[in-house]
Amino acid sequence: GENVEQHPSTLSVQEGDSAVIKCTYSDSASNYFPWYKQELGKRPQLIIDIRSNVGEKKDQRIAVTLNKTAKHFSLHITETQPEDSAVYFCAASKTSGSRLTFGEGTQLTVNP
Amino acid sequence: DAGVIQSPRHEVTEMGQEVTLRCKPISGHNSLFWYRQTMMRGLELLIYFNNNVPIDDSGMPEDRFSAKMPNASFSTLKIQPSEPRDSAVYFCASARTDEKLFFGSGTQLSVL
Repeated sequence: GENVEQHPSTLSVQEGDSAVIKCTYSDSASNYFPWYKQELGKRPQLIIDIRSNVGEKKDQRIAVTLNKTAKHFSLHITETQPEDSAVYFCAASKTSGSRLTFGEGTQLTVNP
Repeated sequence: DAGVIQSPRHEVTEMGQEVTLRCKPISGHNSLFWYRQTMMRGLELLIYFNNNVPIDDSGMPEDRFSAKMPNASFSTLKIQPSEPRDSAVYFCASARTDEKLFFGSGTQLSVL
């Protein structure tokens, strides 16, 4: 089955800096790659997703890139703010709406 | 829409007791997923249903765990008998085919 690895497990940045989180996946049949943000005590919430027919997608301060050949994808957050502090999870699946395999999560801390 | 609704939000029980977690998916969603979240193992898929039919239960830890989906608007996850190592946050999530996955607020289970 699918295996998703995520790095780093913790990331601390200064407010205003950029943050990058990287994931690799094992199943070449995976075509859908969402990212979830989970604040302490809350549910994971989808922040951005990308499908394999697209190499990059951007939504305001967040962007995701996908390299299907190398089987890795990354989350980029620019101009970080303290409210970006949370655990971020990457995931992979064959299609949206089907079973997701999650990475281990990255605890992002943005220091004011 | 109220989103995915889970109950109870918190459950504290003693080892050996039966625990039932409940989930109401978003109306119109045809896939339902049960995930377990722990610090050690992250977000693990336990079981998922498509059109009320269990598709993959390979993540169910052992026979003490069972899940049902008697209709499109209700699912249960039962643990009998419960053990302290079952303590975790259990999330239910739902999606339409080829669309995004939405999580419920989770049930924090503590087995003493």
